[in-house]
This record gives sequence, structure tokens and C-alpha cells, in this order.
Amino acid sequence: DQQVKQNSPSLSVQEGRISILNCDYTNSMFDYFLWYKKYPAEGPTFLISISSIKDKNEDGRFTVFLNKSAKHLSLHIVPSQPGDSAVYFCAGGDRGSTLGRLYFGRGTQLTVWP
Amino acid sequence: DSGVTQTPKHLITATGQRVTLRCSPRSGDLSVYWYQQSLDQGLQFLIQYYNGEERAKGNILERFSAQQFPDLHSELNLSSLELGDSALYFCASTPDTARYGYTFGSGTRLTVV
Repeated sequence: DQQVKQNSPSLSVQEGRISILNCDYTNSMFDYFLWYKKYPAEGPTFLISISSIKDKNEDGRFTVFLNKSAKHLSLHIVPSQPGDSAVYFCAGGDRGSTLGRLYFGRGTQLTVWP
Repeated sequence: DSGVTQTPKHLITATGQRVTLRCSPRSGDLSVYWYQQSLDQGLQFLIQYYNGEERAKGNILERFSAQQFPDLHSELNLSSLELGDSALYFCASTPDTARYGYTFGSGTRLTVV
């Protein structure tokens, strides 16, 4: 049961341009969402999060947008840099759940070329 | 260094064998989560422990088992290994629930030959 879906397995963007990574979820109980970034041979690292009470959260070059009615979120990276090339995982969770675990999408491989 | 330590980093073993992967959570974290990342499969949740007790189970095979010890480190045991078990295995920890997200270890790459 894939509660979080990332339908684009890969994205290729030129350096300096905007990268937009998309994510859809099905569980209406999710009240917070996170993006993780993963380089080869390393564990995923936290990038940015958003609570369901917000529709936007910004941190430097990274902005996450949440559309609750569409159950959709997106990560914008502006401007994209070659060092951003990595796999990006979207995750959702329910803070009220006693289980408290995150549900991950399958990831999107972002390649930023010079 | 995330504070979550996984050993070994790499493991090569033969089919039919048994291996143990180890995870030490970040200091103070009570919850440990195990994930498997196979090629193109994303992060598949295996199992969660909280303060020594199993809290949630995901797509974990019967050949796999895990436990969390009193010092809060956790071990994932994989037995009767098959070629398809080759994957990256990640451990993550949180203080209790994942309300602020996980801290991941760097993973163990298991290769079954």
C-alpha cells in the first residue's frame, strides 16, 4: 500500500534552472511531510518539512508547497546546482499516531547538469 | 556523522547464510526503524522498535527478525539468504515517534552471491 507516491523516477535539469519534484499522498491523516535527500553510499538526510497547517515552507534555495485538497506536495529548488544531484524522497506522517512512523515514496533521482 | 551508527558498512555473503546487521541509535533516541532499499524500490519499511519492544511491522519476511536490546541498540537478523535480499539496509532513530522526522544511519550494503 503505497501511501506516498513519487511518479517521476528521474528528473534532469540544467544548472541555474528550477527543479520541481512532485509527490502525492493518499492518507488524509497525514499532518506533516518531509523531504529527504540521499547521495550514493550515504543514508538519507533531512532537507525540509512542512506541517499540514501551512501551504508553503521555505529554506534558502528549497521551498516545499502543500496542496491539501489535491493531496499533493512539491519541492522547488532554485537555482539548481550540480551538488543537488541526488535521490529525493518524499515522506508523510501522522503526528497523532502512536506508531509514529513515516511513509516514503520511491524517490526521484535529480540530475543537475552544468 | 548523524549519530546513528550502523555496522558493518558492507557485507558479502553466500546464499543460504545468516547475517546480523547492527544499529546504535542516536543518544537519547528510544525508537529504531529498519528499512530496506532495493534497486528502484525506494525505502521499504521493515520493522520498528520502541524502548525494547516491537511497535510496528511492515513488509518484513519471516526469514528476517529483529530485536532491540536494553542499551537500545538494535540488530536485524537475516537468514536463509537469497540473491534478492541484496540491498541497502538502513536504520533510523527518533526520540519517540517520528513527529520531527528520522535520523538515518549510513546503511549496510548487503550483497548475496
